[in-house]
Amino acid sequence: AAGVIQSPRHLIKEKRETATLKCYPIPRHDTVYWYQQGPGQDPQFLISFYEKMQSDKGSIPDRFSAQQFSDYHSELNMSSLELGDSALYFCASSLGSGNEQFFGPGTRLTVL
Amino acid sequence: GDSVTQMEGPVTLSEEAFLTINCTYTATGYPSLFWYVQYPGEGLQLLLKATKADDKGSNKGFEATYRKETTSFHLEKGSVQVSDSAVYFCALSESGGYNKLIFGAGTRLAVHP
Repeated sequence: AAGVIQSPRHLIKEKRETATLKCYPIPRHDTVYWYQQGPGQDPQFLISFYEKMQSDKGSIPDRFSAQQFSDYHSELNMSSLELGDSALYFCASSLGSGNEQFFGPGTRLTVL
Repeated sequence: GDSVTQMEGPVTLSEEAFLTINCTYTATGYPSLFWYVQYPGEGLQLLLKATKADDKGSNKGFEATYRKETTSFHLEKGSVQVSDSAVYFCALSESGGYNKLIFGAGTRLAVHP
């Protein structure tokens, strides 16, 4: 069965650079969630989209922005990267908000 | 705000031992409760869930019961295997809204032969 696809799987950036993470939800899933997991920490909710509209917002820095496109894939844009942004970024998708979330394998971002 | 507290790890067990990982929650409404498992280098996989009080979630020999009176959702398994070695996260999804997940800190389980 098709799963959530995230790209790239690994990304290395310098401080103050920008990064774009992509998430392709399971086909027909209309809701996407982004989470950030720092080293040895629990995942923290960043932002979610339902039917291409932002549905909820968590602890997402102002330097980050995200959107969901007409094909339901989502992109997380991160600017002015800081060392503390180094983390595993998970995307999850669901069919309708409020239903089971299926997680992607994550993108590991390293900021040097 | 809503929160999840789970026992600290690491938990180290011998194969076939009994496992309990404690999880308690704080929530204003009636959340759904989940256990997720994360194997090394992989993403989060839903292990089991319960959506209302007294529900029991079960999967792959793991069980957890939604206890509203003690605000708990402890994970148990009668006989662990080496392949169960992973990090286990307790999580809740708030009632209403768009159901973002709030995770506990995670408990690392190591099972040795």
